[in-house]
Amino acid sequence: KAGVTQTPRYLIKTRGQQVTLSCSPISGHRSVSWYQQTPGQGLQFLFEYFSETQRNKGNFPGRFSGRQFSNSRSEMNVSTLELGDSALYLCASSSGQINTEAFFGQGTRLTVV
Amino acid sequence: AQSVTQPDIHITVSEGASLELRCNYSYGATPYLFWYVQSPGQGLQLLLKYFSGDTLVQGIKGFEAEFKRSQSSFNLRKPSVHWSDAAEYFCAVFAGNNRKLIWGLGTSLAVNP
Repeated sequence: KAGVTQTPRYLIKTRGQQVTLSCSPISGHRSVSWYQQTPGQGLQFLFEYFSETQRNKGNFPGRFSGRQFSNSRSEMNVSTLELGDSALYLCASSSGQINTEAFFGQGTRLTVV
Repeated sequence: AQSVTQPDIHITVSEGASLELRCNYSYGATPYLFWYVQSPGQGLQLLLKYFSGDTLVQGIKGFEAEFKRSQSSFNLRKPSVHWSDAAEYFCAVFAGNNRKLIWGLGTSLAVNP
């Protein structure tokens, strides 16, 4: 079965702009989580969506938002981009049950200039 | 608060040598533990996981890890390293009450020919 697909793979944006990243989970998976990865902070949890509802949220400002559609695809939006938002954004797909593993996409590399 | 510590930021081994990557966690309940590997520019691939049962778990690519509750550790081992094992390795614990993965900062592995 197909893996987790993230689009686009690379993005360059200017400060102040907004960006939308997309994640298509593995077929049948209802949970999508988003993580930000930077060299200094490592992997940090942004939020998780399950069946179109945000089930948990990390400690990120309100500029970071997301949503999930009925087909479980998810989008993440960052508004008013800052230089510090430059990072690899990873999406993880799982069934949503507590003892199951997460499968990761290859990520979207966002560069803010 | 839940946390994961990977004490070694960078390790270099010779091809064919044995490998042990350390991971210590802090979590009040029974942990769900994971090791992931990330090659340059790629997403995260699950190497192995521990949920319950046998404390020595086998993973892909010849890796194994041992869960030691008394030491709050989940160290990753491989008896003979291959050049293709050079990558970044991440230990993570699933914080069930918050439904998110808590990550260590990673250990970068270099393999000398």
